[in-house]
Amino acid sequence: DGGITQSPKYLFRKEGQNVTLSCEQNLNHDAMYWYRQDPGQGLRLIYYSQIVNDFQKGDIAEGYSVSREKKESFPLTVTSAQKNPTAFYLCASRGQGDTGELFFGEGSRLTVL
Amino acid sequence: KNEVEQSPQNLTAQEGEFITINCSYSVGISALHWLQQHPGGGIVSLFMLSSGKKKHGRLIATINIQEKHSSLHITASHPRDSAVYICAVLRLSGSRLTFGEGTQLTVNP
Repeated sequence: DGGITQSPKYLFRKEGQNVTLSCEQNLNHDAMYWYRQDPGQGLRLIYYSQIVNDFQKGDIAEGYSVSREKKESFPLTVTSAQKNPTAFYLCASRGQGDTGELFFGEGSRLTVL
Repeated sequence: KNEVEQSPQNLTAQEGEFITINCSYSVGISALHWLQQHPGGGIVSLFMLSSGKKKHGRLIATINIQEKHSSLHITASHPRDSAVYICAVLRLSGSRLTFGEGTQLTVNP
């Protein structure tokens, strides 16, 4: 079955450490997204990619980095520069064209100790 | 001001009631999505709209492009409909996808 896989589901890190969240899709989608969600709040856009080897900053890109070397993969690195990284992170992909359907991963919950 | 505004933020209903959740946006869009988020955090897509109206079971979604407004209706609401409902818009240019804050719906038996 096609879908999006995020890993890990839960992650703990110490302050000052970088951590990379994985997002893989087998839906042949060009567009992929990373969002952050804090308790009781909406999803905020971190980065998005329309095509391989291209990505754009979202509203809260500071302290994060991404890569898009393969169509299937869009990993997110939370760097030590991110001041408040504890959050729920969601990856999404979108089908072809403007009317493509959205698919979401199950999310990764990052806690900084 | 957010590009996407939802109302109400919280909604409590009795089982069987007709529910309406509203979404207004301020940018040109090519599509609007209605999504459902469950307590565990998982999100599922309910509708994708670029015009008109769509219906799936007890859920109905409408969009008025000229007024930059969309509504999600739930008929004969049920406790299992309790979730957060989120509106998201795809901008006309590029692939940027922006979300509303969500509406927490609680349906009591």
